[in-house]
Amino acid sequence: SQTIHQWPATLVQPVGSPLSLECTVEGTSNPNLYWYRQAAGRGLQLLFYSVGIGQISSEVPQNLSASRPQDRQFILSSKKLLLSDSGFYLCAWRVWDREFNEQFFGPGTRLTVL
Amino acid sequence: KQEVTQIPAALSVPEGENLVLNCSFTDSAIYNLQWFRQDPGKGLTSLLLIQSSQREQTSGRLNASLDKSSGRSTLYIAASQPGDSATYLCAVSEMDSSYKLIFGSGTRLLVRP
Repeated sequence: SQTIHQWPATLVQPVGSPLSLECTVEGTSNPNLYWYRQAAGRGLQLLFYSVGIGQISSEVPQNLSASRPQDRQFILSSKKLLLSDSGFYLCAWRVWDREFNEQFFGPGTRLTVL
Repeated sequence: KQEVTQIPAALSVPEGENLVLNCSFTDSAIYNLQWFRQDPGKGLTSLLLIQSSQREQTSGRLNASLDKSSGRSTLYIAASQPGDSATYLCAVSEMDSSYKLIFGSGTRLLVRP
């Protein structure tokens, strides 16, 4: 069966510090991968998606970047965090080997920027 | 631009009641629609997925319907239980190569014992 991992689970970082969040998927190959953010009092917003290694699409201009160094690994980064980067970051993957193309989400990383 | 709206924003019901959560979307050109459950501080759990060609899906006490032409979906929860308390999110999948999800802001449900 397929599983998705995210770490760390929680993170508190000062403004101006770098960021690296990691997401890995097991039990599938060549998935579509997604980074979403859920800010306090706001809905889920897509940040980046990737259809393959090294292929990254950005949905909104921001202080963040994403990379996909391996098929099942998706990394969210920042060189200098802003207060507005605080939120709940969720990684998701899209099923390719089923008829219905369902998206599944990881447990999330709670980021607080102080 | 696709917009997804969920009504009501919050709902409090006594245990055992049947309830309906509503979701509407502005662009009917969707690939599918998913209903998710989110517990506080947790990730999203997929509840039901309805393809654009389908009218409804059922799983246990949950039934989701889709009327693509009118841009509406409902999630019906039968015989609600305190364990059903959570935020329920509706999301539509765009018909482009990304298949990204556009989310509503959710309905926060509280089922009182």
